[in-house]
This record gives sequence, structure tokens and C-alpha cells, in this order.
Amino acid sequence: NAGVTQTPKFQVLKTGQSMTLQCAQDMNHEYMSWYRQDPGMGLRLIHYSVGAGITDQGEVPNGYNVSRSTTEDFPLRLLSAAPSQTSVYFCASSRRLGLNTEAFFGQGTRLTVV
Amino acid sequence: RKEVEQDPGPFNVPEGATVAFNCTYSNSASQSFFWYRQDCRKEPKLLMSVYSSGNEDGRFTAQLNRASQYISLLIRDSKLSDSATYLCVVTTPGRKLQFGAGTQVVVTP
Repeated sequence: NAGVTQTPKFQVLKTGQSMTLQCAQDMNHEYMSWYRQDPGMGLRLIHYSVGAGITDQGEVPNGYNVSRSTTEDFPLRLLSAAPSQTSVYFCASSRRLGLNTEAFFGQGTRLTVV
Repeated sequence: RKEVEQDPGPFNVPEGATVAFNCTYSNSASQSFFWYRQDCRKEPKLLMSVYSSGNEDGRFTAQLNRASQYISLLIRDSKLSDSATYLCVVTTPGRKLQFGAGTQVVVTP
């Protein structure tokens, strides 16, 4: 049971470089989301999707793009990396966006921008 | 003001003891409440949902106080394996998840 798979697990980027964090889930979940986790701040929502072809911004969307061409995949693109984007990124999915719905997380991507 | 606030700890707990901690939320329209557990440098995982009447799951008891806008988690008979960071999670109108920064619990032999 793969669940939510994120790649890569670690990445170092130079300022200005772009890259894509991959996220895939095999649970046929409608709702997928990206969070970043910084010390002392909890997880903050970057972007989310309620289904294929539908995406929306979360709390901290600047500098990131997403797309949802299939139910399974929800990649996160960093357009021009900045040191402020150094963080741990988690992808999550859940069956629906609703009450008492468990979110399943990928293992995280530890990104350092130098 | 943060939407969800937690005491970061650490709460140092002797093995076998009881520990309890709270989480406060600012949005009175919050709808669902959860505790997630996060082990060091790993992904969060659902520990338990929190229901209005309070609920237990083994050694873990969660309570919700809507009037004072806080939820609590109590761990009885603490085990070394309970050492982790406990994240308070609240669903806001629009049903997005809002995370607290976490409370660290360290269970010592």
C-alpha cells in the first residue's frame, strides 16, 4: 500500500533555480494539498485541489505553482527558488474535503535553497 | 494571532505518568478537531479525532470545550514510544485544515 508518495526526499537548490516536487496518491482521493513546515510555525497550506482540473491557493502560495491533470498526481513547482523557501514540504491527500476526514501525508521533502 | 495555538513544550514525562496539554483555536466557527502525531523529521499521522462529548482511544483521551475554544489531549501510563510532537488540527469554515505548531512530549525512563 503506497499511500502518498513524494519525491525527492532531499533537495538542494541554488537561488533562482526552478524545480518540481512530485506527489502521487493511489487511494483515489479527491482532495490533495501541499504544506510547508517551518520551525515554530506549524504546517501552512500552500495550494490545494478538490479534484482533477481544479486548484486553489492556500495561505502561502507566492512563489509556487500547482496543477492537477489527474486524480493521482499533484506536483508543486518552485518557479525561482529563494532562501525563504528553505523548508520541509508535505503533500497530503484525503477522501474528501469535509468533516472528520483523515489526511494522509507523504514522507516529506527537505528543501534547502542556498 | 495564530488560528491554532499550542504550548511548544517540551513536556518531560516519566514513564508511566500522565501528561495533558491543551490547544486553543480562535475561530468560533471551527467545525472539526483532530490530534495528529509527528515523530522527528517524519510525516504527521492522525492520532484521533476529537468529538464534542470527548472520546478515548486506549491510553489517549481527547476533550473539546467549545465555549472556551480549546481542545485537550491526555496521555495515561506514558510509554517511551509516546515521545513525539502532537499537532492540534482544526477544520475551519471552507473545511481547510489549520495546524498548530505542535507540543513536544518527551517520555523518560
